[in-house]
Formats: sequence, structure tokens, C-alpha cells
Amino acid sequence: DAKTTQPPSMDCAEGRAANLPCNHSTISGNEYVYWYRQIHSQGPQYIIHGLKNNETNEMASLIITEDRKSSTLILPHATLRDTAVYYCIVRVGSNAGNMLTFGGGTRLMVKP
Amino acid sequence: SAVISQKPSRDICQRGTSLTIQCQVDSQVTMMFWYRQQPGQSLTLIATANQGSEATYESGFVIDKFPISRPNLTFSTLTVSNLSPEDSSIYLCSARESYEQYFGPGTRLTVT
Repeated sequence: DAKTTQPPSMDCAEGRAANLPCNHSTISGNEYVYWYRQIHSQGPQYIIHGLKNNETNEMASLIITEDRKSSTLILPHATLRDTAVYYCIVRVGSNAGNMLTFGGGTRLMVKP
Repeated sequence: SAVISQKPSRDICQRGTSLTIQCQVDSQVTMMFWYRQQPGQSLTLIATANQGSEATYESGFVIDKFPISRPNLTFSTLTVSNLSPEDSSIYLCSARESYEQYFGPGTRLTVT
């Protein structure tokens, strides 16, 4: 699986959009981009995933560049409960048996 | 979505003893995994728990130290053997169904 690079930490004001970047310049054509987050003392939680089109769900939006070498997770109106470590992961296949390999993630601090 | 529970949620064990962690999923799942999260670190995959056969271990993890069972499609155990203070970590069970991978709340192990 391709490696990802994320900033170690970011701050965001409550109510503003949080934009979390991820570089995955060695991504292969069959690798998906997944985002998970881990709130303190909990297990990681799935947020969203995509292959090449932008995706949106009730939690977030995922913007993938046309060359697929980077992506941005957008939390449109961050709340204090969004404070967590956010992991960007690339993995082969959508229904394949491959497990998730976690990098360092970005520690997002949402401030009042 | 699958709900994963783990027992115990935390334990304090003496050096040289063993701890067995139980993982129960509320539905049948194809894949189950065990991860370790050392203090302040990201998650590291220990092994894939295979139903009815030996687990598949990642580099650096061996069966003698981390024996794993998976008797059916909803249950798995991880034993951490011959404990040392370096084994103090959070151990997380994970299950995969379709494109989503779910995580348990983790078991916090402290070795004294």
C-alpha cells in the first residue's frame, strides 16, 4: 500500500471548516483513499473513502486531486467533538481483504 | 455497521504473566484483525485472525508471544504472553465487512 504524508497537527476554530490535507504521491490506480479518525480513548472510526471522484457523506467531504496524488478531508462546520487524530490511508481495493495500515495521522484540535 | 466489544477494557498485569483479550462482533464478518497502539503512537497491525486456521502475523510479531484464536465468524481472542513492561499498550480488535473496517474500544494493558 502507498504511504501517506499528513501534517502532525492542526488547529481549527469551532464552527469553521476544517481542511485536512494528505499527500499520497505514490498511489496506484487501484488504491482507494480512506479517512478514519480516533477520538481520545476510543477505537478508530470510519469517516469516508473514495477512488477518484469527490465524495460527500453526513460526516465530511473528500476532495481528491485529478492526478490522485493528494486529497483533502473537509469537516464543514467543526465542533469541539471533532477534536481527534485523523488518519489518511490508501489501500488496494474496496472489497478486498487488505487490512488498514495506519500512519502518523493529523491531530486536529478544535478550539472554541 | 458492526459493533465490536472487547473484554477486559483494561487490566494491570504482573511481569511474566499472560493476558487474554476477548473480541466479540455483533454480526458475522469476513475478516478480523488485532492491532497494538503504544502510548502516543499510531496503530500497528499485529495479525489477521483467520477462522479455523492459524493467524497471519505481521513482521515483528510471532505466534508464541501473541497467540490468536478465531473459532467462528464473530469471535476472536488475543493472548499477550510472558508480559514485560514493553507490552504496555492498547490492544484493539478490528473487523472488516465490505469496504468498512470497524474497531473495538480497545483494551488498555499496563504491565508492572
